[in-house]
Amino acid sequence: KQEVTQIPAALSVPEGENLVLNCSFTDSAIYNLQWFRQDPGKGLTSLLLIQSSQREQTSGRLNASLDKSSGRSTLYIAASQPGDSATYLCAADSGGYNKLIFGAGTRLAVHP
Amino acid sequence: DAGVTQSPTHLIKTRGQQVTLRCSPISGHKSVSWYQQVLGQGPQFIFQYYEKEERGRGNFPDRFSARQFPNYSSELNVNALLLGDSALYLCASSTDRGITEAFFGQGTRLTVV
Repeated sequence: KQEVTQIPAALSVPEGENLVLNCSFTDSAIYNLQWFRQDPGKGLTSLLLIQSSQREQTSGRLNASLDKSSGRSTLYIAASQPGDSATYLCAADSGGYNKLIFGAGTRLAVHP
Repeated sequence: DAGVTQSPTHLIKTRGQQVTLRCSPISGHKSVSWYQQVLGQGPQFIFQYYEKEERGRGNFPDRFSARQFPNYSSELNVNALLLGDSALYLCASSTDRGITEAFFGQGTRLTVV
């Protein structure tokens, strides 16, 4: 049974810092891993999708890596801004069919 | 292009009632999935439909049911509502059965009193 854990649960940093959010999963047989952003009371916004054959994906100031052998993914946020404040969720798709198993998220606060 | 749309956005129901939530996927997407997100937790998988057939089901009681229509829109039904069913219900669509990016709607906030 796939389980996804995210560390830390919460993070508060000053503007401009480079950040690393961690995601670990127990079953390495995944189809893909996806990172999302969620603002309070809102839906999920897809940030990056890493397919199982890939090692990393980049979009602007965001970079996500995937290491299936160790069951880990990291989301790197460069030069953080107050607008980055949100909850970041990772999700592993183990069975295909977009049956995503989510972590509990990392709540990020970037203060000016 | 419109993203995934869900209706209604908010809903208040009484214990024991039934509720129907609706989802319209992104145009061209044939796969729809439903998730329940309780406050402070990550979303939990409920159902996945592809080409109008159920392809996956999470660990939810039979009070939860869903269907997908020929236009690929979907409904989630919950019978005999419990206080614990209060949550944000999210719908996601994708182009294929798997290995493709999932796009989520804004969710329906269900409150059971």
